[in-house]
Amino acid sequence: LAKTTQPISMDSYEGQEVNITCSHNNIATNDYITWYQQFPSQGPRFIIQGYKTKVTNEVASLFIPADRKSSTLSLPRVSLSDTAVYYCLVGPMNTGFQKLVFGTGTRLLVSP
Amino acid sequence: DAGVIQSPRHEVTEMGQEVTLRCKPISGHDYLFWYRQTMMRGLELLIYFNNNVPIDDSGMPEDRFSAKMPNASFSTLKIQPSEPRDSAVYFCASSLDPGQHEKLFFGSGTQLSVL
Repeated sequence: LAKTTQPISMDSYEGQEVNITCSHNNIATNDYITWYQQFPSQGPRFIIQGYKTKVTNEVASLFIPADRKSSTLSLPRVSLSDTAVYYCLVGPMNTGFQKLVFGTGTRLLVSP
Repeated sequence: DAGVIQSPRHEVTEMGQEVTLRCKPISGHDYLFWYRQTMMRGLELLIYFNNNVPIDDSGMPEDRFSAKMPNASFSTLKIQPSEPRDSAVYFCASSLDPGQHEKLFFGSGTQLSVL
């Protein structure tokens, strides 16, 4: 499974756009990129998933360049409630997803 | 559906005691996972089941840890005997059979403190 590297922590203010970048240099052809969000005292929850270019949903956008060696999770106009840990995971879709590695994630702190 | 349900929410026990954590997956999900989360090591996969059968237990730290899934709606993670270094948050998660959009659905976790 591809190894991922993301910042340990980030700080932001309410209303700002936050971009969290994840590096995955050894991503395989059949690997997908998935992001999870974890609030304090809760289990992680799925945010967004993509394979290439751009994916957008009601929560976030995911930007993946052509070489797919990195990806950026974009949170528009964050609020205090976006304070959480964000995990980048890389792995195949139909086989092996069971062993996706969460790591320690990026701790985002949003201040007033 | 109420989501993945774990019990107890908090468990405080003394070293040497047996601890049993419980999980009810989302109905219809074929995969069940047990994770452990600590500040130092993050979120680690301990074991996962497919259709009630343990598939990979390579993440189970020691023989003191055991997990069972007697039926599709119930699983347990047991630690016997417990040690202070087992203190962590233990999460259970479930997922549908692999397809186009695998997602893990996590419970709220069990905060375990071993004194």
